[in-house]
Amino acid sequence: EVQLMESGGGLVQPGGSLRLSCAVSGFTFSTYAMSWVRQAPKKGLEWVSSISGSGTSTYYADSVKGRFTISRDNSDNTLYLQMTSLRAEDTAVYYCAKGDAGDVFDIWGQGTMVIVSS
Amino acid sequence: DIQMTQSPSTLSASVGDRVTITCRASQSISSWLAWYQQKPGKAPKLMIYKASSLKSGVPSRFSGSGSGTEFTLTISSLQPDDFATYYCQQYYSYGTFGQGTKVEIK
Repeated sequence: EVQLMESGGGLVQPGGSLRLSCAVSGFTFSTYAMSWVRQAPKKGLEWVSSISGSGTSTYYADSVKGRFTISRDNSDNTLYLQMTSLRAEDTAVYYCAKGDAGDVFDIWGQGTMVIVSS
Repeated sequence: DIQMTQSPSTLSASVGDRVTITCRASQSISSWLAWYQQKPGKAPKLMIYKASSLKSGVPSRFSGSGSGTEFTLTISSLQPDDFATYYCQQYYSYGTFGQGTKVEIK
């Protein structure tokens, strides 16, 4: 069974940092690009970042460029999102999803909530 | 950046109704458009890709059409399980979502 399980969300102060993880099972992780998509409370979906299967290519939305870093560990089937210099507007549910920038997201995790507040 | 605009924002309908949601792109995206369904507290689910291709397992009452800048999602006979929010997404250039259309019970 295909599963994506996010973790690492929580409450963080503005300017702080947080690392999200996404544990993947049920498909050959290293073969596929992966992405993070977020959804602010009561708002729509926003693509955040994508990484190629090998990890050599990464892409970011302008809203997070320079502050967030996507990475992956193919030996451990885990996707990461390192978030720094967090702002109130980064408050959202963060989903990991199978798929690339420029592609559909065909499998999604259940999401992890990040709240940026003092 | 490519902007995606959905209409309407909210749609009130009854079981059995035919429902159509429109999505417009700010520039041509060929057929690189997907539709997702999201229920409260749940992750989105891919329903349609490449404008009109139904993902395996999605009921045939769902259909998509369009190309270029104008696209539609149609539910031929609305079922109780279909009340949800629907998002379009262009994947011609990175990925931009529409603002969503909530299908609610009339």
